[in-house]
Amino acid sequence: AQKITQTQPGMFVQEKEAVTLDCTYDTSDQSYGLFWYKQPSSGEMIFLIYQGSYDEQNATEGRYSLNFQKARKSANLVISASQLGDSAMYFCAMRPGAGSYQLTFGKGTKLSVIP
Amino acid sequence: DSGVTQTPKHLITATGQRVTLRCSPRSGDLSVYWYQQSLDQGLQFLIQYYNGEERAKGNILERFSAQQFPDLHSELNLSSLELGDSALYFCASSVGRDFNYGYTFGSGTRLTVV
Repeated sequence: AQKITQTQPGMFVQEKEAVTLDCTYDTSDQSYGLFWYKQPSSGEMIFLIYQGSYDEQNATEGRYSLNFQKARKSANLVISASQLGDSAMYFCAMRPGAGSYQLTFGKGTKLSVIP
Repeated sequence: DSGVTQTPKHLITATGQRVTLRCSPRSGDLSVYWYQQSLDQGLQFLIQYYNGEERAKGNILERFSAQQFPDLHSELNLSSLELGDSALYFCASSVGRDFNYGYTFGSGTRLTVV
């Protein structure tokens, strides 16, 4: 069974600083995908970034980058230059091997950006 | 606006009742996924439909059922409701049966069972 672990229930970061949100995963599949989603207090789920297990380079999307360490089974999200609007819950998720369409989510990390 | 429409946004109902949650996928998307987000269980996959057919099933209770109609909208039916069914129910959609990038989520339906 697949499992996603986010060990930081809550994090604080100063505005304009960088922050890393941790995510480790467990799977026996060779092909899988890793995702990060943001959930503001309004409740919607916003896709941030994707990393495929065979991608050689770490994914980047604007201020978001994914630090993918396959051997350690970690997929940490790095947010650079934090903004007040980054305050939200952040979820790491995994799509298991080819042919599976469901995402397994971690419990989430609540990020608070301090002015 | 994500393009995935869920109605209603909020629903309050009593135990034992039945409700229907509706989802219209993003234009062109053939797959619809339902997820439940509760405080104790987190985000859990319930079920997926692709072009009208059930494609995958997750932790969906027998009291819950879903379907996808020819116009691709989907409904999630929850019956014999219990207090523990109170949660945020998300619908998401994607183009194909498989995807390499995140689905598009709707804004959710918040169900409160009293």
